[in-house]
Amino acid sequence: DIVLTQSPGTLSLSPGERATLSCRVSQSISGNYLAWYHQKPGQAPRLLIYSASIRATGIPDRFSGSGSGTDFTLTITRLEPEDFAVYYCQHYGSSPPYTFGQGTKLEI
Amino acid sequence: QVQLQESGPGLVKPSQILSLTCTVSGGSISSGGYYWSWIRQYPGKGLEWIGYIYYSGNTFYNPSLKSRLSISVDTSKNQFSLKLSSVTAADTAVYFCAAWGVVNDAFEIWGQGTMVTVSS
Repeated sequence: DIVLTQSPGTLSLSPGERATLSCRVSQSISGNYLAWYHQKPGQAPRLLIYSASIRATGIPDRFSGSGSGTDFTLTITRLEPEDFAVYYCQHYGSSPPYTFGQGTKLEI
Repeated sequence: QVQLQESGPGLVKPSQILSLTCTVSGGSISSGGYYWSWIRQYPGKGLEWIGYIYYSGNTFYNPSLKSRLSISVDTSKNQFSLKLSSVTAADTAVYFCAAWGVVNDAFEIWGQGTMVTVSS
């Protein structure tokens, strides 16, 4: 089974700073079928990025995704207070079809 | 804009059946644009995909849950449902329904989630 490992587990930054979150996949994936979500307390996850680098509708351009193969990155430039949340990467594959990383907590 | 809302009991006894329904509003479940999915989140925050159903009735289940799982769709009510049998405390989680976009290959829309506790 494919395993997604996110790092760091917790990232402590201040508003206005730049955040770089990593997602490493245990096997090289084709098609860049990787998505990023964030989740605020008491809420459902929200889609940020799909196909590794495409911003979902309504997502500001301070969010960007990159990577291919086994290493993927979510970058948030100029952190806003509302960006502090837990971030998950997720892979779309064949067995199982959908796998999530364990999450990175972005805290102030 | 499509919205999802989960409903069902918040407490289930061990060995019984966990049943949840997701109501789709703002669009037709038969549109063909989504695979209708269930995802759960454990108290430790890990996310696990449970399975999905297409409006045609085709299903795909997480192999780890397949023997206990049934997902069905009722197009007349614009709803899809989850049944998980022989539950244990390990099935305690927040259960989300979500829509996987056929075009974008991601969980584009989520319900707010419902907490289900398995306890006697």
